[in-house]
Amino acid sequence: SQTIHQWPATLVQPVGSPLSLECTVEGTSNPNLYWYRQAAGRGLQLLFYSVGIGQISSEVPQNLSASRPQDRQFILSSKKLLLSDSGFYLCAWSSNPVAGGEQYFGPGTRLTVT
Amino acid sequence: GESVGLHLPTLSVQEGDNSIINCAYSNSASDYFIWYKQESGKGPQFIIDIRSNMDKRQGQRVTVLLNKTVKHLSLQIAATQPGDSAVYFCAERDDKIIFGKGTRLHILP
Repeated sequence: SQTIHQWPATLVQPVGSPLSLECTVEGTSNPNLYWYRQAAGRGLQLLFYSVGIGQISSEVPQNLSASRPQDRQFILSSKKLLLSDSGFYLCAWSSNPVAGGEQYFGPGTRLTVT
Repeated sequence: GESVGLHLPTLSVQEGDNSIINCAYSNSASDYFIWYKQESGKGPQFIIDIRSNMDKRQGQRVTVLLNKTVKHLSLQIAATQPGDSAVYFCAERDDKIIFGKGTRLHILP
């Protein structure tokens, strides 16, 4: 069966510090991968998605970036965090091509920028 | 499409009653729709899906209704239980999946 992992689970970082969140998927190959952000009490905002190694599409302009160094690894990064980067970051995967359309979400990382 | 930045509306339902959560979608070309449940501090979980060639689909205690004429999707939860307390998101797919803004379901004892 497929599983998706995210770490760390929680993170408190000062403004201006760098960020690296990691997501890995097991049990499937060539998945579509997604990074979402969810601010407190709000819906999901798609940040990046990837259909293959090295292929990243950005949905919103911001100071975050994403990379996919391996087929089942997706990394969210920032060189300098802003207060507004605080939120709940969710990684998800779906089959490629999107036959069913269903996305499977990881447990999330709660980021607090102080 | 729906804005994902707005604060979530809340639906309060008495335990044991049926819940109906509504969602309006924007893209008439969307061919697939999904409902997700997100409990506090966790990632969203798949509940039920429906393709655009259907207007109703039933699962265990849940039913999804699709009205393509008015671009409306609903999730019905029968005999609502305390464990149903969560935020519910609808999602539509055209070339990629777009999430709605979500509804917080609050269960009254």
